[in-house]
Amino acid sequence: DAGVIQSPRHEVTEMGQEVTLRCKPISGHDYLFWYRQTMMRGLELLIYFNNNVPIDDSGMPEDRFSAKMPNASFSTLKIQPSEPRDSAVYFCASRIQGGTGELFFGEGSRLTVL
Amino acid sequence: KNQVEQSPQSLIILEGKNCTLQCNYTVSPFSNLRWYKQDTGRGPVSLTIMTFSENTKSNGRYTATLDADTKQSSLHITASQLSDSASYICVVTPVDDYKLSFGAGTTVTVRA
Repeated sequence: DAGVIQSPRHEVTEMGQEVTLRCKPISGHDYLFWYRQTMMRGLELLIYFNNNVPIDDSGMPEDRFSAKMPNASFSTLKIQPSEPRDSAVYFCASRIQGGTGELFFGEGSRLTVL
Repeated sequence: KNQVEQSPQSLIILEGKNCTLQCNYTVSPFSNLRWYKQDTGRGPVSLTIMTFSENTKSNGRYTATLDADTKQSSLHITASQLSDSASYICVVTPVDDYKLSFGAGTTVTVRA
C-alpha cells in the first residue's frame, strides 16, 4: 500500500480564498483523522471519522472549517474563507479498528495564507 | 484535561553520542503510550508502543521505558546518527477513546 496520500503538499493562497485539502486513507482502515500542526500548539485533532461518518468535530476551530468523507477512500478538509492564522501543516491519518491503535500519517499539506 | 509534557524542548548532540528524552503524562487510565519520530517536512511515524503493563521496548538503537506508577516515559537513543535528527513526539492513548494526547515534541539535532 502507498500509505496515506495527501494533496496538495504545499498551498499558498490569499486571505479570503477557499482552500480544499484532500486525503486518501490506507485501504481497509476504518478511522480517518484530520490534524493541524503548528509550532505554538503542536498537533491538534480537528475531526475524525469512523466508517465515513463524522464522530467528533469538536476540534474544528470555526464554521469556516468543514470536512467530508463521501466514501471510504476519500476525505476533504475545506477552509472558507481562509485567514492568515490558518497557516499550518494539516495532516490526515488513518487506522484500523482495534489492533494496537497505530495511526498512519500522510506527509501533510503545508498551508500558507497571505 | 489530559496532558502530555515533554522535555527538553530541543537538544543538540554529537554523532555517536547517546541521549534521553522525557515524557510525563497525566492521562489515566491509558491504553498505550507511543513514541513517534517526525522528520522535517514529513508525517510522524511510530517508533515504539508500550501498554501500561510493559516497562521497556526497543527498536534498534531506540529504547523506550515506561513507569506507569510515576506516569513517566523516556526514549533513549544510542550511538546517535545524523539521520536521528528529527522531532520525537510522545503520544498517549486513553482507554476507550480515539482522541490521542500528544506531547509538543523534542527536537533532536545530531551534528557530525
